[in-house]
Amino acid sequence: IAGITQAPTSQILAAGRRMTLRCTQDMRHNAMYWYRQDLGLGLRLIHYSNTAGTTGKGEVPDGYSVSRANTDDFPLTLASAVPSQTSVYFCASSVRGGRGYEQYFGPGTRLTVT
Amino acid sequence: GIQVEQSPPDLILQEGANSTLRCNFSDSVNNLQWFHQNPWGQLINLFYIPSGTKQNGRLSATTVATERYSLLYISSSQTTDSGVYFCAVEAGANSKLTFGKGITLSVRP
Repeated sequence: IAGITQAPTSQILAAGRRMTLRCTQDMRHNAMYWYRQDLGLGLRLIHYSNTAGTTGKGEVPDGYSVSRANTDDFPLTLASAVPSQTSVYFCASSVRGGRGYEQYFGPGTRLTVT
Repeated sequence: GIQVEQSPPDLILQEGANSTLRCNFSDSVNNLQWFHQNPWGQLINLFYIPSGTKQNGRLSATTVATERYSLLYISSSQTTDSGVYFCAVEAGANSKLTFGKGITLSVRP
């Protein structure tokens, strides 16, 4: 593994189903992030974690939850998917949270909720 | 929150031409990054440049933090430069990157 991996690459999900998007980084970065990308709206922050054991809400957190049990993994869960959650999801990481650290992005997960 | 505006929204170039992409932001920033999103959707880090000037091959970037703008220069463009270029900034202490809407670049052979 080099950098950030995300799984699955793409997924079609029925509305109402539960889904967990996985994100793993091997750079020993303290901070991790989840963004969603929608046409015309750009990328928006869903949740973030500045260090293992802590999480915070971003710009569009409703309908999503995260956990950060260790440094490397930052899963994003949709408890009951809705069509408006159709999007491309990007996981990112940086050396640490706080001010001014460069963020690196994973390859993305394309999710379609039908 | 901070506003990020990129211009122009779309750009079509002939291979070999030069171009300048602009990013304006509404407040002081701790972080400014330029990304290239390729046709496969991958976000590639181009520059981490909260201030000053950097160069990497045919690409260079300048951020004038006091005037709240950044410029990305592409010289001798190639078809592989096609894609969407995003500017993203971080203001305050919450690590949240705010993205511009992007500039879609098409380089024609």
